[in-house]
Amino acid sequence: QSALTQPASVSGSLGQSITISCTGSSGDIGRYNYVSWYQQQAGKAPAVMIFDVAYRPSGVSNRFSGSKSGNTASLTISGLQAEDEADYYCSAYTGSGALWVFGGGTRLTVL
Amino acid sequence: ELQLVQAGAEVRKPGESLKISCKSDGYSFTTYWIVWVRQMPGKGLEWMGIINPSDSNTKYSPPFQGQVTISVDKSITTAYLQWSSLKASDTAIYYCARRLLTGDRGGWFDPWGQGTLVIVSS
Repeated sequence: QSALTQPASVSGSLGQSITISCTGSSGDIGRYNYVSWYQQQAGKAPAVMIFDVAYRPSGVSNRFSGSKSGNTASLTISGLQAEDEADYYCSAYTGSGALWVFGGGTRLTVL
Repeated sequence: ELQLVQAGAEVRKPGESLKISCKSDGYSFTTYWIVWVRQMPGKGLEWMGIINPSDSNTKYSPPFQGQVTISVDKSITTAYLQWSSLKASDTAIYYCARRLLTGDRGGWFDPWGQGTLVIVSS
């Protein structure tokens, strides 16, 4: 399975909203509602922000939201804050072979 | 406290063997599968494999099949990732994480260990 496709970088100003896309295939994102998003701040381990396409773990700000359409999933961050600056990775379940695939990651810069 | 604890760093020479650990605390170890994820320097995340601590059923991503071995020791709630002969290209940070799920497949990873940096250099 190929890695999922994400933009290498996105940026937004404080208080604005941004959306990060994650494009897969009919065998992963298009087939299952098992897409998750991870935030990795510099020098730290990843942490889950969204699971099962659109669900937020307890403790994650409601400024983070997820959605899916066809073979593409999206992560939206509203009301950008300086602390949101990080790398974001999507992940999808594939059901076979490499059971999960990750996107290449998107670096978010908060201006 | 619910956590996965990994050692900080390991330095080895090419051809040497290595076994890194992931100690689980604060939850029922045999209830949740454990995954291993590689992050090469400056690169993204790669899913390596997953193990069921209850029966050691293991599944590997094809690029990692035969290159690494994933195992557990239930008695000390610890998962392992090992190499028999390291290569310079194995230099990376290796994370373990617990797999959670709402149904009978899929899932997400939470929490993650802090990662073990493996440096393979002559």
